[in-house]
Amino acid sequence: DQQVKQNSPSLSVQEGRISILNCDYTNSMFDYFLWYKKYPAEGPTFLISISSIKDKNEDGRFTVFLNKSAKHLSLHIVPSQPGDSAVYFCAARDSGGGADGLTFGKGTHLIIQP
Amino acid sequence: EPEVTQTPSHQVTQMGQEVILRCVPISNHLYFYWYRQILGQKVEFLVSFYNNEISEKSEIFDDQFSVERPDGSNFTLKIRSTKLEDSAMYFCASSAMRGSGRTSYNEQFFGPGTRLTVL
Repeated sequence: DQQVKQNSPSLSVQEGRISILNCDYTNSMFDYFLWYKKYPAEGPTFLISISSIKDKNEDGRFTVFLNKSAKHLSLHIVPSQPGDSAVYFCAARDSGGGADGLTFGKGTHLIIQP
Repeated sequence: EPEVTQTPSHQVTQMGQEVILRCVPISNHLYFYWYRQILGQKVEFLVSFYNNEISEKSEIFDDQFSVERPDGSNFTLKIRSTKLEDSAMYFCASSAMRGSGRTSYNEQFFGPGTRLTVL
């Protein structure tokens, strides 16, 4: 039961261009969404998050967009840099419980081409 | 910048043996979590811990698993009798109180992981 879906296992983008990573969810109880970046042999690193009361959150080169009606969110990275090459995980939670665990997608491997 | 640390980085054990994975969460955080990632699969939630008790656990977290906060800094995951399918990366995470400013309790910060190999 995939409550959080990242349908693109990999994405290749030219350096300097925009990277767009997509994520869909099915659980309407999710109200907080996060993006994590992961390098091999390391733990996930928190990037950016968004509450369901917003439709956009921006932090430097990273912007997350949320479309609640479509149950879809996306992460935009612009401009893309070689160090952005990593696996990106979308995660979601129902924040009503206080200490609930995150539900992760399977990840998208972003490759930035020089 | 404060970070979550985990020891050991790699643990090899025989099937049926007990293992204890250790974590030191970020010092002012109050919520603690364990996740695992089997090779090639997604990161899966195991358990959350708050105020010295389990807050939530997944179906994976059966009677073979237990968590403990033995002192003010460490947070441990014990697997009593390991199985081959327990081989995975185990990640500890922590998050802060609601209203703590930029770092809310929603944003969980992960350690580097312990690779558990069960032979």
